[in-house]
Amino acid sequence: AQSVAQPEDQVNVAEGNPLTVKCTYSVSGNPYLFWYVQYPNRGLQFLLKYITGDNLVKGSYGFEAEFNKSQTSFHLKKPSALVSDSALYFCAVRDTGRGSTLGRLYFGRGTQLTVWP
Amino acid sequence: SQTIHQWPATLVQPVGSPLSLECTVEGTSNPNLYWYRQAAGRGLQLLFYSVGIGQISSEVPQNLSASRPQDRQFILSSKKLLLSDSGFYLCAWSVRDMGTGELFFGEGSRLTVL
Repeated sequence: AQSVAQPEDQVNVAEGNPLTVKCTYSVSGNPYLFWYVQYPNRGLQFLLKYITGDNLVKGSYGFEAEFNKSQTSFHLKKPSALVSDSALYFCAVRDTGRGSTLGRLYFGRGTQLTVWP
Repeated sequence: SQTIHQWPATLVQPVGSPLSLECTVEGTSNPNLYWYRQAAGRGLQLLFYSVGIGQISSEVPQNLSASRPQDRQFILSSKKLLLSDSGFYLCAWSVRDMGTGELFFGEGSRLTVL
């Protein structure tokens, strides 16, 4: 079965420090992986995706994510956090294996990132 | 470019009243369409998805229904709202068939049932 885990409900970092938001996944085939950000009372905004190729993916607002097949992880990172990065972050996976529902994304429960000044 | 619109943005309804939330997509054809609910500002629950006009799949049994009367229009409805229907409802679309599957979300509709 397909699933996504975000083991941390909350991540707190100081402005200017590096940040990491963790995500692990489980799929039967090759994964397509995504990160989204949600600001209060807004829809989810697409940040970045991994489909194939280079394991380090760069996205919007200076974020990047590293795909690690052996650890089945896709952690979101940023070298220097900003207060404006404070938001709810969602990891999602699409399973491309046989029997998977075409186009269906499975979301993690979200991680609240707080960056303090 | 593609855009997705949801309305109304906020709604306060009494228990037992009907509901209609609308979603339209512009700038693309034959999209997959989705309705999600987000409770308490956290996890997303997929309610319905549609791969074409009149084709609706329901993920969970509930007091809600969905319809797709036109290719780029997706409607979430209820005949009689329950308190438990309160939440933040998100419409989304994705490219059908050859897309990589990422979803593009609307700005959401916050429903409060009193």
